[in-house]
Amino acid sequence: AQKVTQAQTEISVVEKEDVTLDCVYETRDTTYYLFWYKQPPSGELVFLIRRNSFDEQNEISGRYSWNFQKSTSSFNFTITASQVVDSAVYFCALSENSGGGADGLTFGKGTHLIIQP
Amino acid sequence: KAGVTQTPRYLIKTRGQQVTLSCSPISGHRSVSWYQQTPGQGLQFLFEYFSETQRNKGNFPGRFSGRQFSNSRSEMNVSTLELGDSALYLCASSLAGNLQQGALNTEAFFGQGTRLTVV
Repeated sequence: AQKVTQAQTEISVVEKEDVTLDCVYETRDTTYYLFWYKQPPSGELVFLIRRNSFDEQNEISGRYSWNFQKSTSSFNFTITASQVVDSAVYFCALSENSGGGADGLTFGKGTHLIIQP
Repeated sequence: KAGVTQTPRYLIKTRGQQVTLSCSPISGHRSVSWYQQTPGQGLQFLFEYFSETQRNKGNFPGRFSGRQFSNSRSEMNVSTLELGDSALYLCASSLAGNLQQGALNTEAFFGQGTRLTVV
């Protein structure tokens, strides 16, 4: 069975600090997809990244970066120079579906990130 | 381009009643997935519809059902409501081509959800 663990329930940092959100996953499949979503107070889930299991290259998008390591089954997310607008709940998710779509995602419990001014 | 629209945004129902929630996907998107979010269980997959057919289903009792119309709009229904059904119900839409033909899915866009309270 697939499982996603986000051990950090809540993280609080001061603005401009760097922060890393951890994600550890379990799956028996060799083909799978990993996702990160952001959930602001308004409720909708905002897509941040999707990575398939065959692509271990790290990704950088502006202040966001992701570190995918199959050896440790981890897909960690780092925000550099955090801003107050980054405050939200962040979810890591796993899909074993071949299409990598939104169906059948297994989500972690989420990490509540608080950026203090 | 309009996003995913869920109606209503808020709903209060009594135990034993039934409820129908609606989701209008992004224009051109054919896959709609439904999720339940509660403080205790987190985000859990309910089911996915593609071209009016349920293609994937999570581990929920038969009281939870859904359907999809020819215009890709989807509804989910919960019958005989229980207090534990109180949750935020989110739907997501994506292009989701035919997996058997190897078409690629795209990122999914979520709606703002329907907050259901059962009293």
